[in-house]
This record gives sequence, structure tokens and C-alpha cells, in this order.
Amino acid sequence: GEDVEQSLFLSVREGDSSVINCTYTDSSSTYLYWYKQEPGAGLQLLTYIFSNMDMKQDQRLTVLLNKKDKHLSLRIADTQTGDSAIYFCAEGQGYNQGGKLIFGQGTELSVKP
Amino acid sequence: NAGVTQTPKFRVLKTGQSMTLLCAQDMNHEYMYWYRQDPGMGLRLIHYSVGEGTTAKGEVPDGYNVSRLKKQNFLLGLESAAPSQTSVYFCASRPGQGFTEAFFGQGTRLTVV
Repeated sequence: GEDVEQSLFLSVREGDSSVINCTYTDSSSTYLYWYKQEPGAGLQLLTYIFSNMDMKQDQRLTVLLNKKDKHLSLRIADTQTGDSAIYFCAEGQGYNQGGKLIFGQGTELSVKP
Repeated sequence: NAGVTQTPKFRVLKTGQSMTLLCAQDMNHEYMYWYRQDPGMGLRLIHYSVGEGTTAKGEVPDGYNVSRLKKQNFLLGLESAAPSQTSVYFCASRPGQGFTEAFFGQGTRLTVV
């Protein structure tokens, strides 16, 4: 079945770049997503990338997609303490499959001042 | 704009008790989902619905039932709660066509003792 894998923890210093990696298995996914979860809150969409794109940049965020290796990464430039959160990678299934989002385990990003 | 609202936010149950979690969305979305979040396991799909009157099983459906009698509401029931169902439950919704993000509720923290 579908599977999405992420490392569980990442610690960086304020001002450094953070890179969160994700691998997925469903090659038919149309969109791949990054969601952010702050403590005690729900998930909020951070960014997404369409499966026929290699890269997407949005201010401090850069998403890279290697479709051949089924590898997705999220780079946060100039990481701030306010970026401390759990980041989830998710692959999106087509609406004919219920439009489900399959999530990774989440990467807890800790930003030290 | 309320978005996705979950009721209740917190609950403690005794083993064997039953309860219903309510998810309500005011965005006229077709698709709705129930996930559970456990440490180190990310979000796992319990059940989902692709429209009023429809339901389908997700990855971890055992011990749960759902109903979607009205388009705006998606109910998750636990008939006989077990400690293994201690978790944070999230509801999400999304429209049924085009690129869309999934909108999440704030979560229900359920403890079964």
C-alpha cells in the first residue's frame, strides 16, 4: 500500500537553513503537500507541489521533488524560533480514490536561539 | 468563517463506554475525513466520506463507525472504547474537484482509562 516516510526529529540553530526530507511510494500522486502543526493545534497547509514540477519556491520555503526517486524535501531558509513545529509530508490521491491524504510520521523541528 | 469545527475538544472515557465525535464544516465540502494522530506514527486515516450518505474505511477502521447523514457533518463513533483508542482525533474536509487543500479541525484529545 501507500507509504510515506520521514525522519522524526531535526534540530537547527536560528538563522540556519532547515531541510526536511520525505519519501513516498505512490507514483500516481498528483500533488504532494507539506503541512505544519504547532503545539496543541490542527494542521495548516504550508505549501504543495504538483507532481510534474521539480521545484517550487515560496518566500523562505523551497520544495524539491525527485519523482524518479520518490523523494520530496522542504527547505526553510533563515529558520526562526517561530518555525519550531511538526512538519508533515503528505501525498494526495486522486478523487477517484477518495482524495485521501497519506501522511508521513511528521518531523519535529526544534530551532535553538 | 468557522471552517472545520470539532466537538468536543477533550474527553476522558472509561473502558467500554461509548461516545460520538462531531465534525462540522461550513464550506460545502464534499469530502470529509477522520484521522487519528499518535506519537511517531503521524496521521492515520480511520474513515472517510466522498459525499452525503457515503462512508468508506481507511487504514485503521476497526473499533470505529461513522455516519454522514448531512453534508456538513461527519460523525465518528466509538461503541466500546479501549485504551488503544487514546489519541488525538482530527477531522478534515476538502471540495470534490480541482486542486484543493484539506482543511483541518483543531482536534479532539481523547483519553480512555
